[in-house]
Amino acid sequence: DAKTTQPTSMDCAEGRAANLPCNHSTISGNEYVYWYRQIHSQGPQYIIHGLKNNETNEMASLIITEDRKSSTLILPHATLRDTAVYYCIVRGRGSTLGRLYFGRGTQLTVWP
Amino acid sequence: DGGITQSPKYLFRKEGQNVTLSCEQNLNHDAMYWYRQDPGQGLRLIYYSQIVNDFQKGDIAEGYSVSREKKESFPLTVTSAQKNPTAFYLCASSPGQTPGEQYFGPGTRLTVT
Repeated sequence: DAKTTQPTSMDCAEGRAANLPCNHSTISGNEYVYWYRQIHSQGPQYIIHGLKNNETNEMASLIITEDRKSSTLILPHATLRDTAVYYCIVRGRGSTLGRLYFGRGTQLTVWP
Repeated sequence: DGGITQSPKYLFRKEGQNVTLSCEQNLNHDAMYWYRQDPGQGLRLIYYSQIVNDFQKGDIAEGYSVSREKKESFPLTVTSAQKNPTAFYLCASSPGQTPGEQYFGPGTRLTVT
């Protein structure tokens, strides 16, 4: 599975959009991009995933560049409860089940 | 309410004792996983199971054991052979058709002194 690079930390004002970047320059054609988040001392929570098209659900939007070497998770109206560590993970469709590699992620802090 | 439960939330043990962490899910998911998280670090995979009575080692299986006798349950035993057992342990499950969408329990924080 391809490696990902994320900033260590970011902050955002409450009510504004939070845009979290992720680089995955070695991604291959059949690998998906997954995003999870982990609020302090809780289990991670699945947010969204995509292959090449942009995706949106009730939690967030995922924008994947045309060359698929990077992506951005967008929280359109950040709230204080969105403060968490956000993990960007690349996973191949044929990957062995369970092989989600969680790096250190991005600590997003939303301030009032 | 469907979900994953882990118990207990906090667990304290003396060095040299085996301890078993519980994980139960009522989501009817085929696959279940155990991860370990150390302070300031990401998650590392210990064991996973795709089906009842079958499981595979993850990246850091040494000093741990698991069983999968029922679809709903995947207990993890931290043995005395695990050199640094103090950590936050997370259990997850996923549907067979979308293994990348893993649903996590609240975790068990184990402290061994």
